[in-house]
Amino acid sequence: EPEVTQTPSHQVTQMGQEVILRCVPISNHLYFYWYRQILGQKVEFLVSFYNNEISEKSEIFDDQFSVERPDGSNFTLKIRSTKLEDSAMYFCASSPLLGNEQFFGPGTRLTVL
Amino acid sequence: GQSLEQPSEVTAVEGAIVQINCTYQTSGFYGLSWYQQHDGGAPTFLSYNALDGLEETGRFSSFLSRSDSYGYLLLQELQMKDSASYFCAVRDRTAGNKLTFGGGTRVLVKP
Repeated sequence: EPEVTQTPSHQVTQMGQEVILRCVPISNHLYFYWYRQILGQKVEFLVSFYNNEISEKSEIFDDQFSVERPDGSNFTLKIRSTKLEDSAMYFCASSPLLGNEQFFGPGTRLTVL
Repeated sequence: GQSLEQPSEVTAVEGAIVQINCTYQTSGFYGLSWYQQHDGGAPTFLSYNALDGLEETGRFSSFLSRSDSYGYLLLQELQMKDSASYFCAVRDRTAGNKLTFGGGTRVLVKP
């Protein structure tokens, strides 16, 4: 069964550093998303991406964040100048154009020290 | 903006039935989804309701009342493996197809 994959599973970084979180969505899906979940809290929407551009972003997704689909398979989230409060689990998800289910990857746990 | 309310925790025994309620406030409501998340795992889709009524998928059912801005997830014949957090999530009529999640209900199944 096709699945969303994410790398790395755990990323530790120093405050102020840049990180890139990588995702490979399901191959025939057209919508891609990033969500985050701070430990013990709810899942929060960051951004959605369709047709090679951002279709919607939340208030959390400020200039510190950017997304890119550098080739036909990868979807990346870049966080510039990380802050302590960026520590969270980051989930990538994808969905077909028409469909109600979003398929989530296993997540990348980001720890900012 | 959107807001969703659901109970924080429910405890039940194996074989029992649990109902998790979710009330929501949103503009441009499109549908209500339910996701299951085991500790350390990713959210996994359970069901989706866009129209009023009951959707049944095996031991799990989901209900929606659009006029009451209310839905519930019904877990029947509880098993130990059902111990997890359950999130309701609103899909709204925006270009981005985003999901807005509730705070989650932690279900603990006891023998």
